[in-house]
Amino acid sequence: GQNIDQPTEMTATEGAIVQINCTYQTSGFNGLFWYQQHAGEAPTFLSYNVLDGLEEKGRFSSFLSRSKGYSYLLLKELQMKDSASYLCAVDSGGSYIPTFGRGTSLIVHP
Amino acid sequence: DAGVTQSPTHLIKTRGQQVTLRCSPKSGHDTVSWYQQALGQGPQFIFQYYEEEERQRGNFPDRFSGHQFPNYSSELNVNALLLGDSALYLCASSRATRNEQFFGPGTRLTVL
Repeated sequence: GQNIDQPTEMTATEGAIVQINCTYQTSGFNGLFWYQQHAGEAPTFLSYNVLDGLEEKGRFSSFLSRSKGYSYLLLKELQMKDSASYLCAVDSGGSYIPTFGRGTSLIVHP
Repeated sequence: DAGVTQSPTHLIKTRGQQVTLRCSPKSGHDTVSWYQQALGQGPQFIFQYYEEEERQRGNFPDRFSGHQFPNYSSELNVNALLLGDSALYLCASSRATRNEQFFGPGTRLTVL
């Protein structure tokens, strides 16, 4: 079976740093995706981690620990436009098809 | 370069009816995947098409079927609609060997 767990909602202040955690238990693992989805819009790709460790991409970084079944997305210098849902998804079949969690709704306030 | 496009944007149907949703992939992409996203949930994988064949399928009943055309565009058909089929239907395109999928804006289906 597949189980992907992330917090339902988080709030943070503009300019701050926020870490969104994701734990997973899946039958098979090839990589982990993070997507951003603004309300009423399509998801947009943020990252895909295969190896353990931190990958940085501008203000966004993603971390993976395969042995712990754990990942996090780190957002620095938060901006109001970062208010969105952040979706953690696992590629368990090796064909880059993500199995999504429910998503974390991030609210950034002034 | 147009991204992934989907039509229609919104659709209202009644129980028992049939619906067809359409998707045009991003230029250069040959693989199309379909997802269902209920309110407050993450997208759920329905199936993926490559070279006009269904390559993989998620846990959806046979009422959900699809097709891919030679120009890589795709259709999703749902028969015998149920109230629970009300959702946002997302199409995503990619190149067969790449991990990044580009999503379309979705079709909002309401079943009354």
